Amino acid sequence: DARVTQTPRHKVTEMGQEVTMRCQPILGHNTVFWYRQTMMQGLELLAYFRNRAPLDDSGMPKDRFSAEMPDATLATLKIQPSEPRDSAVYFCASNRGDGNTIYFGEGSWLTVV
Amino acid sequence: QKEVEQDPGPLSVPEGAIVSLNCTYSNSAFQYFMWYRQYSRKGPELLMYTYSSGNKEDGRFTAQVDKSSKYISLFIRDSQPSDSATYLCATNTDKLIFGTGTRLQVFP
Repeated sequence: DARVTQTPRHKVTEMGQEVTMRCQPILGHNTVFWYRQTMMQGLELLAYFRNRAPLDDSGMPKDRFSAEMPDATLATLKIQPSEPRDSAVYFCASNRGDGNTIYFGEGSWLTVV
Repeated sequence: QKEVEQDPGPLSVPEGAIVSLNCTYSNSAFQYFMWYRQYSRKGPELLMYTYSSGNKEDGRFTAQVDKSSKYISLFIRDSQPSDSATYLCATNTDKLIFGTGTRLQVFP
């Protein structure tokens, strides 16, 4: 049963600390998305990659967020320094680049205190 | 203005009711429309997918797109408690753009 895998599932950290979230896309998928979900804003696209190259990161606060794909099986989202307003669920998703159906992971639940 | 607008609810209905969930979108260039379902503490999963205008039916679910009014609807017939979830509409160019989601609760 192919699925997108995210770690950690839950993270509580203090303001100012670095947070790294990891994602393993479904094998064979060449497009990886990072979304952030909050009650107020819903699902917001932070960044996405195709064939490991960043295509759009306009939704990401550039001063503290960074996203990379070190290889085809790993995507990372880093927040440094973290702030309480970063508390949200961060979802990774992937697809084959056909632009329609995307498959979500279970999310990383981040709380910054 | 958000590109996709959706009433967040919550919407609470008795079992067996017909549920209507709706979204509006702003860009007439959008061609593909999707409904995702998200259970509590889980990631969204694709429920329905339509292209351009018209209806698409899958079991108890019907997705409807009216491009003239930029309106997307999802109808659930004979709603069940297991349908209780958040429903997100989405549309895309090269990337998916989501509505904020409508939380639905179906009570027995």
